[in-house]
Amino acid sequence: EAQVTQNPRYLITVTGKKLTVTCSQNMNHEYMSWYRQDPGLGLRQIYYSMNVEVTDKGDVPEGYKVSRKEKRNFPLILESPSPNQTSLYFCASSPKGQPTFYGYTFGSGTRLTVV
Amino acid sequence: GQNIDQPTEMTATEGAIVQINCTYQTSGFNGLFWYQQHAGEAPTFLSYNVLDGLEEKGRFSSFLSRSKGYSYLLLKELQMKDSASYLCAVRDNRSGGYQKVTFGTGTKLQVIP
Repeated sequence: EAQVTQNPRYLITVTGKKLTVTCSQNMNHEYMSWYRQDPGLGLRQIYYSMNVEVTDKGDVPEGYKVSRKEKRNFPLILESPSPNQTSLYFCASSPKGQPTFYGYTFGSGTRLTVV
Repeated sequence: GQNIDQPTEMTATEGAIVQINCTYQTSGFNGLFWYQQHAGEAPTFLSYNVLDGLEEKGRFSSFLSRSKGYSYLLLKELQMKDSASYLCAVRDNRSGGYQKVTFGTGTKLQVIP
């Protein structure tokens, strides 16, 4: 089954404790992105990757890191989480080029709480 | 940058028709998506428009006017399970060949009996 797999689904952590949210897709997609979703603010892009070893900042990159060492994996790293990073996170992927009628395929989401 | 506007909330009656509007401002427009998102779940793809006009898919239709920067999602024969948020998303071309997708804040639709 074609899918984007995120782990974990739920995570509660303490301020300053490094964490990684994993994302893996099995569709051979070139594009991958991380979004966070907060009430009233919608989905905001954190980082994106156009292909292996190619990553760039989205709209809200502060406090996050990513890597793209393999095409299928795009982990999100919070080196020193803070309470303002409490949010619902989505990983998404899409194929490159036209036509890309279906836009993104999303993972199931990770609900992160930083206390 | 992009600016995408859609109503925050709407209420409609089961069996009725509802239209959710979306206006946008962007350069390098390369398509508009509508996604459905139930609370706490991932967005799921509903429709895609890149040319002007109406795209129909079952109970759902989506319309685009590029000159007006306007789209709407039309839901017919509403069912209780249609209660969800509906996200308008615009894709545009960026430098280096990247096609960025920016999401509106979503319209929360409540279907009542």
